[in-house]
Amino acid sequence: KNQVEQSPQSLIILEGKNCTLQCNYTVSPFSNLRWYKQDTGRGPVSLTIMTFSENTKSNGRYTATLDADTKQSSLHITASQLSDSASYICVVSGDTGGFKTIFGAGTRLFVKA
Amino acid sequence: EPEVTQTPSHQVTQMGQEVILRCVPISNHLYFYWYRQILGQKVEFLVSFYNNEISEKSEIFDDQFSVERPDGSNFTLKIRSTKLEDSAMYFCASRVSEGGRYNEQFFGPGTRLTVL
Repeated sequence: KNQVEQSPQSLIILEGKNCTLQCNYTVSPFSNLRWYKQDTGRGPVSLTIMTFSENTKSNGRYTATLDADTKQSSLHITASQLSDSASYICVVSGDTGGFKTIFGAGTRLFVKA
Repeated sequence: EPEVTQTPSHQVTQMGQEVILRCVPISNHLYFYWYRQILGQKVEFLVSFYNNEISEKSEIFDDQFSVERPDGSNFTLKIRSTKLEDSAMYFCASRVSEGGRYNEQFFGPGTRLTVL
């Protein structure tokens, strides 16, 4: 069964600290993996996209890694800011002839002053 | 910067009524999607649409749902007879092309549907 599991469910960190969010998936065949940031009540906003051949991608203070062999990804946030408080969602697309897209449940990040 | 827009932002309806949720995708995009997110739960794929037809749909997208691109700009989701469990945030998304690094989907702000 195609699944995307994220950990932790929630995380509280102090402003300025770094953190790493995890994503494990079983989607096969694999097309690409995306990380989104979703503020409460808003649509998801894309942070990074990685295909099979890419193992790291950065977007400002966000760095995503991908290990397609172990089917794991991580999102590292550097020097967190209060505005980073949001849900971070891992999304995996498999090429099933229609680009089925599986969303993880997200990690809820709280950044405290 | 171009963005996906959705109207209305919030729709309240009575159970059994029909609702139409509207989306205007980014103008040069070719692939369109609807997702829903029940409060506190994960985003779920409903349907994808390309070249004026459904390309894929999930088991959630039953006969009560339909999609349409009535003109060159709008993309709509119709729920024929709403149920209480249809209450959710509905997101529209679009992307320019298929495959690889060009598979980025841009999401709209969502329509919150409340069925009473």
